[in-house]
Amino acid sequence: AQSVAQPEDQVNVAEGNPLTVKCTYSVSGNPYLFWYVQYPNRGLQFLLKYITGDNLVKGSYGFEAEFNKSQTSFHLKKPSALVSDSALYFCAVRDIRGFKTIFGAGTRLFVKA
Amino acid sequence: SQTIHQWPATLVQPVGSPLSLECTVEGTSNPNLYWYRQAAGRGLQLLFYSVGIGQISSEVPQNLSASRPQDRQFILSSKKLLLSDSGFYLCAWSRKAGSYEQYFGPGTRLTVT
Repeated sequence: AQSVAQPEDQVNVAEGNPLTVKCTYSVSGNPYLFWYVQYPNRGLQFLLKYITGDNLVKGSYGFEAEFNKSQTSFHLKKPSALVSDSALYFCAVRDIRGFKTIFGAGTRLFVKA
Repeated sequence: SQTIHQWPATLVQPVGSPLSLECTVEGTSNPNLYWYRQAAGRGLQLLFYSVGIGQISSEVPQNLSASRPQDRQFILSSKKLLLSDSGFYLCAWSRKAGSYEQYFGPGTRLTVT
């Protein structure tokens, strides 16, 4: 069965420092992987996706994610964190049938000024 | 461009009262549509999805139901609300081809008293 795991409930980072939010996955076949961000009392926003090709995927707001097939990971990264990046981040994988998306439990990112 | 609307934004209802939440999508046709519930600002629970008019799949047995009377309209209903129905309800859409990333509405905060 398809699944994703976000091992950290919360990540704290100082503004200007690099950030990483971790995600590991388990899929049958080639993975379609996603990152979404949720600001307080808002719906989720799509950040980026990996389908095929380069292992480093660039997305919105300066975020990028690194796909690592051997470690079955898809970590979200940003070289320099902003206070405004503070939000809830979800990793997700497309269900093999394509209709559904399986979301991780979410990681709350706090960026301190 | 595509937009997704949800209303109302907030709702306070007594236990035992009916519920109707509406979601509409603009700028696309024949989308896949989804209803999620998010409790306590964390993980997403998929409630229903629909691949076409009148086609509803239920993921979790409960006292909620969903309908899709038009191509871009998705309604979440209940005949009698329970306290446990409180939460943040999110509607989303995705295309039927490609990578299936989902686009979310702004959400409805439901409090059952």
